[in-house]
Amino acid sequence: GAGVSQSPSNKVTEKGKDVELRCDPISGHTALYWYRQSLGQGLEFLIYFQGNSAPDKSGLPSDRFSAERTGGSVSTLTIQRTQQEDSAVYLCASRVTGLNTEAFFGQGTRLTVV
Amino acid sequence: KNQVEQSPQSLIILEGKNCTLQCNYTVSPFSNLRWYKQDTGRGPVSLTIMTFSENTKSNGRYTATLDADTKQSSLHITASQLSDSASYICVVSAQSGNTPLVFGKGTRLSVIA
Repeated sequence: GAGVSQSPSNKVTEKGKDVELRCDPISGHTALYWYRQSLGQGLEFLIYFQGNSAPDKSGLPSDRFSAERTGGSVSTLTIQRTQQEDSAVYLCASRVTGLNTEAFFGQGTRLTVV
Repeated sequence: KNQVEQSPQSLIILEGKNCTLQCNYTVSPFSNLRWYKQDTGRGPVSLTIMTFSENTKSNGRYTATLDADTKQSSLHITASQLSDSASYICVVSAQSGNTPLVFGKGTRLSVIA
């Protein structure tokens, strides 16, 4: 596609339910990042994928969070047993491998846990 | 620890006025610094990139500066417009192209008529 696509754009879920957020990166972009942006806060790094290398999961806040990237393209971020503090905008970005290449962001998924 | 600090946290200016946003970083080894603009409800969009050897770069009414010695950058907006109202985020990348980008918390700019 022309840009990074995320779905759904909005998600309201009940506390304790599991949710899946999807990211379609720009075709050919080998690096993919997930970030979280809480209200009034900066972007918090969650996880990133680079080609076939093992993902850097150092930003995942708890074991309720996991992500996978199938076939080096589409990525899914899964949050199990959601909590109210998980409410945030989840942003995905992709970029071509390289020193100064730009990261392109999707419009995000706004998650609300009630 | 790699960190990016931005100031001010928020800013309100009159349409037509100039403003300067600040970014201090401790990311090492430094590769590049980008300023992103994030409109409400949208993902961030890159305005400009500064590499180690660059001191200043302009993109229309936006001018970014970089002092790699003091690890500071600024974004100057001239003749502000209502459409400049957004969050401006400073993002620093370490020297390997595969490490996570380090984000500042952003400056929320409001331009009023």
